[in-house]
Formats: sequence, C-alpha cells, structure tokens
Amino acid sequence: GESVGLHLPTLSVQEGDNSIINCAYSNSASDYFIWYKQESGKGPQFIIDIRSNMDKRQGQRVTVLLNKTVKHLSLQIAATQPGDSAVYFCAENIGGKLIFGQGTELSVKP
Amino acid sequence: DAGVIQSPRHEVTEMGQEVTLRCKPISGHDYLFWYRQTMMRGLELLIYFNNNVPIDDSGMPEDRFSAKMPNASFSTLKIQPSEPRDSAVYFCASSSYRSSGNTIYFGEGSWLTVV
Repeated sequence: GESVGLHLPTLSVQEGDNSIINCAYSNSASDYFIWYKQESGKGPQFIIDIRSNMDKRQGQRVTVLLNKTVKHLSLQIAATQPGDSAVYFCAENIGGKLIFGQGTELSVKP
Repeated sequence: DAGVIQSPRHEVTEMGQEVTLRCKPISGHDYLFWYRQTMMRGLELLIYFNNNVPIDDSGMPEDRFSAKMPNASFSTLKIQPSEPRDSAVYFCASSSYRSSGNTIYFGEGSWLTVV
C-alpha cells in the first residue's frame, strides 16, 4: 500500500539534547522522502529530503537516515531548541504524489 | 517569492452553504495539490494538478467536493453543500521538478468550520 506511519505520536526532550523522530513506510517503490515541520497554525515547512539511492543526508542541525531494508526513515535533530517544538511529518513521494505519515509532536523542555 | 497564497484564512459557515477556497501557487510551479488536515485523519491528499490538468482526484471524499484550475496561477476547491464533517484545515501546495525537485511547498491553510 501507500501508507506511511510514525512509531511515536509524541516526543519530549530536554533543550540541548538530540531528538530522533522515526517513520516507517510501506511502499518499496517510493524513491524520495521528505521531512516537514509544522508549527501551530501554520502550513508544513520543508526541512530536509533524501532520495532512495542515499542512506544519509545532513543539513543544518538535522540528519535524515534511510534504511530501505526495513523501510525506515528517521530525522535526527542535534542540540534541540525550543523553536524546534512542532509536529514533524515524514512523507514519501510516489510519482509526484506526496503521502504523509501521521506526525510526531516534539516538545522541547527548557 | 511570496509563496503559496490561500484565501480565506478562516471561514465559518452554516451547514448546506457553498464554500470556495482559493489558491495561488508559487509562480513557475507546474504542480498544484490540495490537502485536508484533521486530527483524526492527518494530512490527506485530495487532488493534484499538473499544468492545470487534474491528474489524480482519488482523494476527493465525495461529489460535494470539486476543484478547478483555470490557469497556472489560480485554483479553487469548492464544497457544495458543506457539512459539519468537512470542518478541517485545507492546504494548497505547489511544486516544480525543475526548480524545486520534488519538494512541495505549502500555503498557510484555510481553516474551515461548518456549523
């Protein structure tokens, strides 16, 4: 199928710690994955993406890991800050159609 | 660039009324998407267009929903008649493989409440 799901609906971390948000996908034909951040009252905002021919990609304070063997995607946020508090979605792109997971709410404690 | 622009940002309407949501995609983008977000169902793709042509409307919940894209800079999502269960946030998004890869950029959403 085309479902994308998240393991944890909520995650609470201490400011300064690293955060890891996980995502499972089911469609082995997916060739492109994106992480979005959604703050309250706003639309989803692009964070980082990765193509299926890669297993790791790094951005500024964020790293995405892709394990195609187990169809697993993760987003790592280094030195989590209060401004990182939001809902994070993984999404898989199949032929131009973006299918979203449920989302994980990240809460950063000061 | 101004990003994807949606209107209205908020709308409260009575059951049975017609609702029209509007979207202006990012200039030069040739893909346009309509999503609906609810607590129960998350982000659902309703329909998407490529070069103003509807490509996949399998996510449109029922005949009360319709979407059009008369030109490259404008799209509407219409609900007629509206029902309380249509209450949700409706997002428009756009992308262009040439300029943004497969990255899809979202608008701020239209918050619809049907009472």
